[in-house]
Parts: sequence; C-alpha cells; structure tokens
Amino acid sequence: AQKITQTQPGMFVQEKEAVTLDCTYDTSDQSYGLFWYKQPSSGEMIFLIYQGSYDEQNATEGRYSLNFQKARKSANLVISASQLGDSAMYFCAMRGMNSGGYQKVTFGTGTKLQVIP
Amino acid sequence: EAGVAQSPRYKIIEKRQSVAFWCNPISGHATLYWYQQILGQGPKLLIQFQNNGVVDDSQLPKDRFSAERLKGVDSTLKIQPAKLEDSAVYLCASSFVTQERSDYGYTFGSGTRLTVV
Repeated sequence: AQKITQTQPGMFVQEKEAVTLDCTYDTSDQSYGLFWYKQPSSGEMIFLIYQGSYDEQNATEGRYSLNFQKARKSANLVISASQLGDSAMYFCAMRGMNSGGYQKVTFGTGTKLQVIP
Repeated sequence: EAGVAQSPRYKIIEKRQSVAFWCNPISGHATLYWYQQILGQGPKLLIQFQNNGVVDDSQLPKDRFSAERLKGVDSTLKIQPAKLEDSAVYLCASSFVTQERSDYGYTFGSGTRLTVV
C-alpha cells in the first residue's frame, strides 16, 4: 500500500518570496516516483515536476524544485520567486505498482497556496 | 498534440437519475484512468484501463458505477443511479506508461463537474 500525506491545508506567501510545500510518503516499493501537480481554480491538473526514487540529484524545473529526502520519506516542493499566478491547489502524488504489476498513482489531499501582492 | 478531451464540462442531475461521461485520451496512450475528485480532496482513482482491459477497479462502487473502453481508445464512465455524494469532478487521464517506469506524469483532461441535487 502507498500513502501520501500533505499536512498543510493552506499556505500564504508574499509575492517574489520562496515557499515550501510539504509532502511525506509511505510505500513498500523499492522503485517509485514522486510528482507534483498544480490545480488552478479552473480545475485542470498541470504536471510540474517529477523525482524518481533512484535519482541522485533533486529535480528542478524552472522556478520549481523538489527537495527529496529519501531516508525521511519526504518530497517537498519549493517554489522560488512566487508569482500571483502561482495561487492554486498543489497536489503531491506517488507512482508505485498495484498488485497486478501496473503503475498506480496515489494523490495527497492537497495544499492551497495563496500568493499575496 | 491534442490533449485529453472530456465531455460534458458540467452536468446537473437529480438523485436517482443516471449520467454518463466521455473521455478521449491522447492518441497512442495505452493507459487510461478515471478519477473522482470531491471538493477539497485529492483525486481518487476509480478505474484504470490498459488498452481495453481493466487493470484496477478496486475503488469503483460497482453497484452504481460502470466504465468501458471500447477498442482501447475512448472511454465512458456511467453512474446509475446517482446519489448526492457522487457530486464531484470526474477527471480522465492518459499515459504511455504500461508496466515500464517513466518520468512522465499523466496528462489530465479538464474534467466533468457533476452536481447531484
């Protein structure tokens, strides 16, 4: 079984500041992947960043970086230089395998980020 | 490339009525997923198809929900009869990934917002 925990229901950040969104996970899989998605008020799910469990370097995509600490089972998202357009729900997700050997992705409950001008 | 298409965008029905949602994945994507996202929660996987076969339907309420993926392309999700607690956004996603590991996230459709009154 796999589980994703996001303990911050809501976060505020000042425009142009950096913010960290927390994510911890639990899995018995040896190989897995961690994703972050952004969901604006319009509802679509936008893929932001991915980290594989065997990747030695932390993933970065533009202003997004993933602070991966395998021993602590955490995969926090860091957004640098926040912009007003970053206001949205953010979901952490984990890819593992179901009992049939097929990829399965489990989502956390999300963190609502609001960027203040 | 065209994205994942879903219709309708919104639907309002009375309880005990039936409803169907349609999804057209990205061309060539073998894997198709239906998620239910209740307001304020993360997406929950309802059913996963590999081509036209079901590989995971463990969280699908089979007494009222059904889904099919004819010819391994389009998919429909049906609810009959609907209950108030079925009010949610129904997201369809597709991916290339089968049993292989990949650093690509899903591609989601825009979702169907269902309101049961």
